[in-house]
Amino acid sequence: AQSVTQLGSHVSVSEGALVLLRCNYSSSVPPYLFWYVQYPNQGLQLLLKYTTGATLVKGINGFEAEFKKSETSFHLTKPSAHMSDAAEYFCAVISNTGFQKLVFGTGTRLLVSP
Amino acid sequence: DGGITQSPKYLFRKEGQNVTLSCEQNLNHDAMYWYRQDPGQGLRLIYYSQIVNDFQKGDIAEGYSVSREKKESFPLTVTSAQKNPTAFYLCATRGWQTYEQYFGPGTRLTVT
Repeated sequence: AQSVTQLGSHVSVSEGALVLLRCNYSSSVPPYLFWYVQYPNQGLQLLLKYTTGATLVKGINGFEAEFKKSETSFHLTKPSAHMSDAAEYFCAVISNTGFQKLVFGTGTRLLVSP
Repeated sequence: DGGITQSPKYLFRKEGQNVTLSCEQNLNHDAMYWYRQDPGQGLRLIYYSQIVNDFQKGDIAEGYSVSREKKESFPLTVTSAQKNPTAFYLCATRGWQTYEQYFGPGTRLTVT
């Protein structure tokens, strides 16, 4: 069965610093991978997705992620953090159990300090 | 205005009462999902529906029930059998032959 591990429940950066949120997955089939962002008391918003093709995926708000099959990773990065990036981020993989079920990691809360 | 609506935003109930959470969409998506979110546990799938009049249990269906009488609507009932119903509930949809899911704004349920 697919699973996702997000290293670090909290990540703190200064405004303008590099953001790196880690995601590792396990999958017995080629994975479809997603990053979502959630602001307090709101739903999840899709940041970016990898299905097939180019392994470096660009998303909204300046975020990007690189699919590395050899490392089973899909880390999320942003060159320069902004205060508005403070939120919770979820990595997810599609399950191979016959329908399009998303399996989520436990989330990483990004804190941005001035 | 397209999208997914969930109502109400906040809901308070006494223990032992059933409560129904609304999810409506005008995206013309076939698949709809209900998730439960608890701090530090990510999202867990309660029920999903791929077409009208059909739905399947997810990972944590005990104490919940759903219906799918219309394509646009997928209400979730939290019954008194759910032992720990206080949580944030999220509805999501997915379009035909796509993989990403789109989420509503959520309903925060508090049961005391």
